[in-house]
Amino acid sequence: DVKVTQSSRYLVKRTGEKVFLECVQDMDHENMFWYRQDPGLGLRLIYFSYDVKMKEKGDIPEGYSVSREKKERFSLILESASTNQTSMYLCASSNARVGSSYEQYFGPGTRLTVT
Amino acid sequence: KQEVTQIPAALSVPEGENLVLNCSFTDSAIYNLQWFRQDPGKGLTSLLLIQSSQREQTSGRLNASLDKSSGRSTLYIAASQPGDSATYLCAVLPFGGTSYGKLTFGQGTILTVHP
Repeated sequence: DVKVTQSSRYLVKRTGEKVFLECVQDMDHENMFWYRQDPGLGLRLIYFSYDVKMKEKGDIPEGYSVSREKKERFSLILESASTNQTSMYLCASSNARVGSSYEQYFGPGTRLTVT
Repeated sequence: KQEVTQIPAALSVPEGENLVLNCSFTDSAIYNLQWFRQDPGKGLTSLLLIQSSQREQTSGRLNASLDKSSGRSTLYIAASQPGDSATYLCAVLPFGGTSYGKLTFGQGTILTVHP
């Protein structure tokens, strides 16, 4: 059974704090993704990674950075949290090997509140 | 640029009804289409994935069809139950996008099944 886990379900941080959101997948997937989801705006891609130490900007990378030092782990970093980063953050992963289904699997989400 | 639209945005039906959710996409050059379910405050759960060469996929009371040439997919839910209440999202993987696995999502249909 595919498992994508996220370090926290709920997180409350103060403005200006550095925030780390961790995501781990156990299926040896090449691709990993960070999204944020806000009412009325749908799912928006922040960053994705297609291999260890490789990353690409998504649609809304401003104010975020990422790290992928190991294949199974993809971290989202908010360098200096702001109130407009209050959101639901979703991590996902997918297999990129030729012949796979490329099905994307999601974690349970982290509800981040920045006060 | 691929755009994915889901109609209706919200749907409320009595228990036991058969229902259809619609998903349309503007660029027919897709590799696959995935249907997800999302419960409030939770992550996305993959329901069905249809490859571009397939016409439909079934899982229990769910049946998803794909008409790539017309840019449409439907999710059919038979004998709806209150437990089916959730947001349903569709997403497409572009034909040349399997290496990165980036999906384009619709805005979702909020389904309420009342007893």
